[in-house]
Parts: sequence; structure tokens; C-alpha cells
Amino acid sequence: SQTIHQWPATLVQPVGSPLSLECTVEGTSNPNLYWYRQAAGRGLQLLFYSVGIGQISSEVPQNLSASRPQDRQFILSSKKLLLSDSGFYLCAWSRVIEQYFGPGTRLTVT
Amino acid sequence: GIQVEQSPPDLILQEGANSTLRCNFSDSVNNLQWFHQNPWGQLINLFYIPSGTKQNGRLSATTVATERYSLLYISSSQTTDSGVYFCAVRGGSNYKLTFGKGTLLTVNP
Repeated sequence: SQTIHQWPATLVQPVGSPLSLECTVEGTSNPNLYWYRQAAGRGLQLLFYSVGIGQISSEVPQNLSASRPQDRQFILSSKKLLLSDSGFYLCAWSRVIEQYFGPGTRLTVT
Repeated sequence: GIQVEQSPPDLILQEGANSTLRCNFSDSVNNLQWFHQNPWGQLINLFYIPSGTKQNGRLSATTVATERYSLLYISSSQTTDSGVYFCAVRGGSNYKLTFGKGTLLTVNP
């Protein structure tokens, strides 16, 4: 069966510091991978998606970037965090149809 | 892009009550999913239902694609049903799911 991992689970970072969040998927190959952010309140905002190694599509121009160095690894990064980057970051994968989410990383920028 | 509207935005129930959550979407879709976000933030897949009716225990869902809506039914609600329920759709050939704003369900003992 497929599983998706995210780490860290929680993170507190000062403004201006760098960020690296990692997501890995097990039990499948060539998945589509996604990064979402959920700010205070409920809405989920799609940040990036990838259909293959090195292929990244950005949905929202912002302070963040994404990379896919391996087939089942998706990384979300920032060189300098802003207060507005605080939120709950969710990674997701899909193979054909259904999308499945990881446990998320709660980021607080202070 | 596709617009997704969920109603009601908030719902408070007593344990044992039944409820219906609605999801309207603005265009034809080839993927519709219902998720439950638990208090720890985990998004749990409930149904993949671009059309038709499915049931899983106390939960069932119906999507009427021609009329562009989906319903999620929760029967005999339990406190563990509390959380936010999201509807998400995908249309055309793109890879992206568009989420509604969710329904916050609170089930009181």
C-alpha cells in the first residue's frame, strides 16, 4: 500500500530564516505530487504541483519554491521566511485519479 | 476555473442526529472527492464520487453530475465526526483539485 510522509510535523522559525520541508511517497512510482497551504481558517491553496522529476508548476507567485530531486520526493523551500508564510503545509500525491494527503507540517514564523 | 461552493459553512449537531452537506460546482468534472479534516489536521479521504451514489458505514454520498452538485450524508453522528468536510473537484485535463471552503461540523455529546 502507498504511504506519504512529511517532516517535520511542526516548525517554528524566525522571519528571514530559510525553510525546507520534505515529502516522500512510498509504494508507488511516478506519482503526481502537490504542495498545499492552509492558512488560518479553512481554505486549501495549491502552491506547486509536479508530474515528474524536475517538472514543477507554480500556482501562486510568492516567497516559496519547490523541487523534485527524486521520483517520490518533493521539497518545499524558502530562502527567507516572511510572517505571512505561517500556516499548515500539506503534501499530496495522486497516481491516476484520487488524491491523498500527508499528515502536514505546521509552520509558525515568528 | 471551476468554482466550488459548500453549504452550510457551519453545522452544530447533537450526537445521534443526521446531516446533509452540499457541494455545488460550476462546470463539468471528472473527479470529485470528499475529505474529512480531523482536529489534528489530517485530511482523510471519504469518497471518490464523480457521479452516482456510494456508501461507507454511516456515511454516504451522491453526485448528480448533470446538475453539478454532490451531497454527503452523515447518519447517527458521533463526536468523532467533528471536523471540517471538504469537497474538491477536477475538470478537464488538468491535474489540480479545486477545493471548496469546507463545512465545519461540530457534534456535541
